[in-house]
Amino acid sequence: DAKTTQPNSMESNEEEPVHLPCNHSTISGTDYIHWYRQLPSQGPEYVIHGLTSNVNNRMASLAIAEDRKSSTLILHRATLRDAAVYYCSEISGGSNYKLTFGKGTLLTVNP
Amino acid sequence: DTGVSQNPRHKITKRGQNVTFRCDPISEHNRLYWYRQTLGQGPEFLTYFQNEAQLEKSRLLSDRFSAERPKGSFSTLEIQRTEQGDSAMYLCASSFVGRNNEQFFGPGTRLTVL
Repeated sequence: DAKTTQPNSMESNEEEPVHLPCNHSTISGTDYIHWYRQLPSQGPEYVIHGLTSNVNNRMASLAIAEDRKSSTLILHRATLRDAAVYYCSEISGGSNYKLTFGKGTLLTVNP
Repeated sequence: DTGVSQNPRHKITKRGQNVTFRCDPISEHNRLYWYRQTLGQGPEFLTYFQNEAQLEKSRLLSDRFSAERPKGSFSTLEIQRTEQGDSAMYLCASSFVGRNNEQFFGPGTRLTVL
């Protein structure tokens, strides 16, 4: 199974940018990188995904390293509602369906 | 609300009892997934269906676990002879093939085995 590694926790101040890193040491060429977040007492929520190029959507930006061994989720202006556990994951190559999650990064946003 | 729903939200049972959870996916989604999440860990894949066909089962899914999706709509996950190690959050997700593979998760069923 794919393995990702993330810092256990990070802290940010409200309205400041946050860069959440993820290492994808075993990623293969056909694996998509996905990011989800989980608020307390809720199921995970999709944030963004990409393959090779950087991606932007209304929630965040995703920067993918050229060798794809690392990715960074960027929240441009953190809000208190962004406090959550953030998971990077990979869709297993060839299967196109199964998410593999690590332990995630607990993001604390200070007012 | 047209999101993924799960019932019950909480279940407390005694060791050795059987339990069944239900998941109702988003109506047009043809893929349905079950995950298990223990405290401090990310969700772990258990199994998935495409329409009514169960296409993969994780080795985490022992023979005490069975999942069905009889008409390609709702799904049930049954655990027989529960053990304390089964205590976890059981999450259901659904997706539509080809649509970015974005999975929509339900709120989960928290199982506590005494």
